[in-house]
Amino acid sequence: DTEVTQTPKHLVMGMTNKKSLKCEQHMGHRAMYWYKQKAKKPPELMFVYSYEKLSINESVPSRFSPECPNSSLLNLHLHALQPEDSALYLCASSQRGGNGETQYFGPGTRLLVL
Amino acid sequence: GEDVEQSLFLSVREGDSSVINCTYTDSSSTYLYWYKQEPGAGLQLLTYIFSNMDMKQDQRLTVLLNKKDKHLSLRIADTQTGDSAIYFCAESLMDTGRRALTFGSGTRLQVQP
Repeated sequence: DTEVTQTPKHLVMGMTNKKSLKCEQHMGHRAMYWYKQKAKKPPELMFVYSYEKLSINESVPSRFSPECPNSSLLNLHLHALQPEDSALYLCASSQRGGNGETQYFGPGTRLLVL
Repeated sequence: GEDVEQSLFLSVREGDSSVINCTYTDSSSTYLYWYKQEPGAGLQLLTYIFSNMDMKQDQRLTVLLNKKDKHLSLRIADTQTGDSAIYFCAESLMDTGRRALTFGSGTRLQVQP
């Protein structure tokens, strides 16, 4: 099973709302990732968790707040977003977070900020 | 540098072979990947090749790696309409602390019936 699941599939939120994106994997992977993908662009890395600890934050604005409650779950809390934050948010996982590891992606959450 | 480049668009007829090309600049790459993304969907891992290999074949997919020229290609035999998607190549680097992939800009493959 190489499945990464993400909920919700679609999300529409206003600039004053607070919402959360969820990601789950049961492959026993200990590294999980958040990527942001704008239309017709490749994914861009936002955060990396390795063994439930935040190891990389690619200078993401504080209105995005990641959380890794356990090794299977990864959340992305959203607050006071801007319309330019509208994008497809992809979660991925890999074995340990080392270089050269294969990353498996979820289907993404398509976010629209009004 | 970590630039990965791909041509933007490829159109083929159903049943023909498709060849999608990718160039990268960092010689310390370890694994090189091909991902497929259908409209509105996430990234599906198609195949990958380790940098000490020249070729890898997996059913209709053939990956060729030319390390000297830093050129990677994906050949899809007997292309079907269901192969229409965006194809991203990506590299994973050995000597950086970044535990992430560097993606190319993606190639949109259009398969005409």
